Amino acid sequence: AQSVTQPDIHITVSEGASLELRCNYSYGATPYLFWYVQSPGQGLQLLLKYFSGDTLVQGIKGFEAEFKRSQSSFNLRKPSVHWSDAAEYFCAVGPSNDYKLSFGAGTTVTVRA
Amino acid sequence: GAVVSQHPSWVICKSGTSVKIECRSLDFQATTMFWYRQFPKQSLMLMATSNEGSKATYEQGVEKDKFLINHASLTLSTLTVTSAHPEDSSFYICSANHQRGPSTDTQYFGPGTRLTVL
Repeated sequence: AQSVTQPDIHITVSEGASLELRCNYSYGATPYLFWYVQSPGQGLQLLLKYFSGDTLVQGIKGFEAEFKRSQSSFNLRKPSVHWSDAAEYFCAVGPSNDYKLSFGAGTTVTVRA
Repeated sequence: GAVVSQHPSWVICKSGTSVKIECRSLDFQATTMFWYRQFPKQSLMLMATSNEGSKATYEQGVEKDKFLINHASLTLSTLTVTSAHPEDSSFYICSANHQRGPSTDTQYFGPGTRLTVL
């Protein structure tokens, strides 16, 4: 069975500071990994995804994530957060050639001035 | 590109009535659409997978007779909550995959529909 763990329920960060959101997954084969962002009352927007190749992937809005197979992790990072980055962030995993995604519980990011 | 819309965005209904939610891929054809349910402050839970022209595949624990899914075309899937009750109140989100092209393995999400059953 596939599963995703996001250990941090809530993170508060100062504007301009760096941000790292943790994601650990459990899956028996090569996973497809995703990070989505959700603003209040909105659907999900894809930030980035990893299927294969370079383990450091760049996404939109200045986000990047690194796939570490040995640690079963896919942590999301941003060097300098903006107030508009305050949102809910979800890590998701899916099996290759199938599209059923399992989502983590989400991490709420609060940005303080 | 890859825009998914949902209608309505917010609906309030009386207990016992049925509510239909539409999910449309606006600028691409979707082989597969997915329906998720999200409770407040919680993650998304997959309810069912909808393939154009065939019956939906429901996840364990999801009542297929209560949550009717129809995927009549490559751009439209509907979710009907039949005989809705207050416990059905939730945020329902759909997603869709491109039928072809480099993004076939990416789901694009709609903005969600907030259902409140009184």
